[in-house]
Amino acid sequence: SQQGEEDPQALSIQEGENATMNCSYKTSINNLQWYRQNSGRGLVHLILIRSNEREKHSGRLRVTLDTSKKSSSLLITASRAADTASYFCATDPTTDSWGKLQFGAGTQVVVTP
Amino acid sequence: DTEVTQTPKHLVMGMTNKKSLKCEQHMGHRAMYWYKQKAKKPPELMFVYSYEKLSINESVPSRFSPECPNSSLLNLHLHALQPEDSALYLCASSPGPMGVGEQFFGPGTRLTVL
Repeated sequence: SQQGEEDPQALSIQEGENATMNCSYKTSINNLQWYRQNSGRGLVHLILIRSNEREKHSGRLRVTLDTSKKSSSLLITASRAADTASYFCATDPTTDSWGKLQFGAGTQVVVTP
Repeated sequence: DTEVTQTPKHLVMGMTNKKSLKCEQHMGHRAMYWYKQKAKKPPELMFVYSYEKLSINESVPSRFSPECPNSSLLNLHLHALQPEDSALYLCASSPGPMGVGEQFFGPGTRLTVL
């Protein structure tokens, strides 16, 4: 089942601009993860943020987590054409069985040169 | 070796065929997963294996039969599929078993059922 809702569904920006996407979820979590998927390919793990963390950085990526609002955001700074992909948030709910990540619907990002 | 491999990349099969998808990882991960993904949708979990034992089956129809012959290998046997089973099938692994961390995904098998 799907726990996360992502916003926006689609995002179109130019190279050099920042891209921000949001994820909301419903139940308490152990951690929240972000994945990238290029068209028709497998998912690539980007970053994991634990429930006791509020912000995490990895290169041009910045993730925030607000457990009181049950929401997270992913910021990609200085975007490049190669960032064109679908981005999914995935939560590890505390109430669910081990191994079951709950994926959001995804945000399709298009970065034009 | 930090990747998950899947074969074949593409598969076209008729509704009466029997075929198998293969997934392999050599990272020493003890949990392996099968997902199904339709176009423009998130992955849907099908099965989870932990220490080579099936731990989660998400009420998947019996025409999909998973098998984990050893800790590095995961198969998905397909029989009497329907056209609506056409999708991208993704395999993933994670270090396991104590909770869910990062999952490593393979490139997927694009399945078309005629």
